Amino acid sequence: GESVGLHLPTLSVQEGDNSIINCAYSNSASDYFIWYKQESGKGPQFIIDIRSNMDKRQGQRVTVLLNKTVKHLSLQIAATQPGDSAVYFCAEKITGGGNKLTFGTGTQLKVEL
Amino acid sequence: GAVVSQHPSRVICKSGTSVKIECRSLDFQATTMFWYRQFPKQSLMLMATSNEGSKATYEQGVEKDKFLINHASLTLSTLTVTSAHPEDSSFYICRALGGGTQETQYFGPGTRLLVL
Repeated sequence: GESVGLHLPTLSVQEGDNSIINCAYSNSASDYFIWYKQESGKGPQFIIDIRSNMDKRQGQRVTVLLNKTVKHLSLQIAATQPGDSAVYFCAEKITGGGNKLTFGTGTQLKVEL
Repeated sequence: GAVVSQHPSRVICKSGTSVKIECRSLDFQATTMFWYRQFPKQSLMLMATSNEGSKATYEQGVEKDKFLINHASLTLSTLTVTSAHPEDSSFYICRALGGGTQETQYFGPGTRLLVL
């Protein structure tokens, strides 16, 4: 399944399928991006990051893609598991912004058995 | 690995009282700590940035006299919600930056504040 970012805050996928969560950012001066996972009642948990000089970065079961031309970021989760159910946020850091992170709206990922 | 703790994890208080929330970096020195507020089903909104030994920098629209931030040491920052009102009920999360690399940063587990 694929989300359309801000227009679809909830993404439901079947266990074992791949998930794609999208994020649009507006500031072309952003040079660093992070994806976080937040479970209910907990603080955000780092998933993966990417610098603006890269287009793609892979981790364990996760891949982040960055398209600077259209200011778009995506998180791909392979073989989605029930434990992946959470809210996912993208965050951006602006060059010269003093390490402040600006968070996107978030996408609720629901994994159906 | 590095851990950031917050205390209390959950607090209920009466309207008009003040509440102090602590954020501690447990095994690294946090030169900078950020405080966020998160309302239900919403994103994290940065409230302020605090650097050890200096005054906090508040984001636009955040009242510095209502949300007092103190960063007295490299491992502790506190957020005090003064004269709390029901609309201050929220999830408050700190983020600690440090550990020697620019991107070494960890979020605390959050503090749920409910003002009655």
